[in-house]
Amino acid sequence: AQSVTQLDSQVPVFEEAPVELRCNYSSSVSVYLFWYVQYPNQGLQLLLKYLSGSTLVESINGFEAEFNKSQTSFHLRKPSVHISDTAEYFCAVIVPYTGTASKLTFGTGTRLQVTL
Amino acid sequence: DTAVSQTPKYLVTQMGNDKSIKCEQNLGHDTMYWYKQDSKKFLKIMFSYNNKELIINETVPNRFSPKSPDKAHLNLHINSLELGDSAVYFCASATGPYYEQYFGPGTRLTVT
Repeated sequence: AQSVTQLDSQVPVFEEAPVELRCNYSSSVSVYLFWYVQYPNQGLQLLLKYLSGSTLVESINGFEAEFNKSQTSFHLRKPSVHISDTAEYFCAVIVPYTGTASKLTFGTGTRLQVTL
Repeated sequence: DTAVSQTPKYLVTQMGNDKSIKCEQNLGHDTMYWYKQDSKKFLKIMFSYNNKELIINETVPNRFSPKSPDKAHLNLHINSLELGDSAVYFCASATGPYYEQYFGPGTRLTVT
C-alpha cells in the first residue's frame, strides 16, 4: 500500500520569504500526486496535481511542485509567500487504475504560518 | 452555486443521540466520499460510493451508516454517538476514483 510522509508539521516563515513544504511518498508502482490546502475552518481545496507529463506543475497562486521519481518526492515551493498563504497543506497520493476501491492517502499535513 | 455542500455546518449533541449529516454535490460526479478529520488534522477516509454503490468501507464502527439516495447525495447517519466521534466530517466528490476530489466545507461534530 502507498503512504505519504510530510516531515514538517509546522513551517514558520516571514512574508515575502521563499518556502518549501516537503512531501515524500512510498509506492511500488506509479502514482498520482496532489497538494491540497485547507484554510482555517474551511474544507480542502486542490492546489495542484501531478498525473503524468511534465514533472513541474504550477498553481494559479504562485505555488509549484516538482515530481521526483528517483527520490519519491513531491515538494511544494513558493518563491515569495504572503500572509494569506497561512494554512494547512496536505500532500496526497493515489495509485491509479487499480479499481474503484482506490483510496487517496493523505499525509499528516504541514501548517504554514506566515508572519510579518 | 456551491459545488459540494454539507448540512449542518456545526452539530453539538449529547452522548447516545443519533444524528445525520447531509451532503450534496452539483458537479455531476459519480464518486462521493466521507472523511473524518481529527483534532490533529489527520484525514481518514470512512466510506466511498461510486454510482450509488458502496465501494470503500473502512474500519469504521457500524454505528456509522452511509446512504446514497442518488448520485448527487451521500448522507451519513451516526447512531449512539460517543465522545470519540467528535471531529470534523468532510464530504467529497470526484469524477472517478483516481482524480482530484472536491471537498465540502465540513461539519464540526461535538459530542458532549
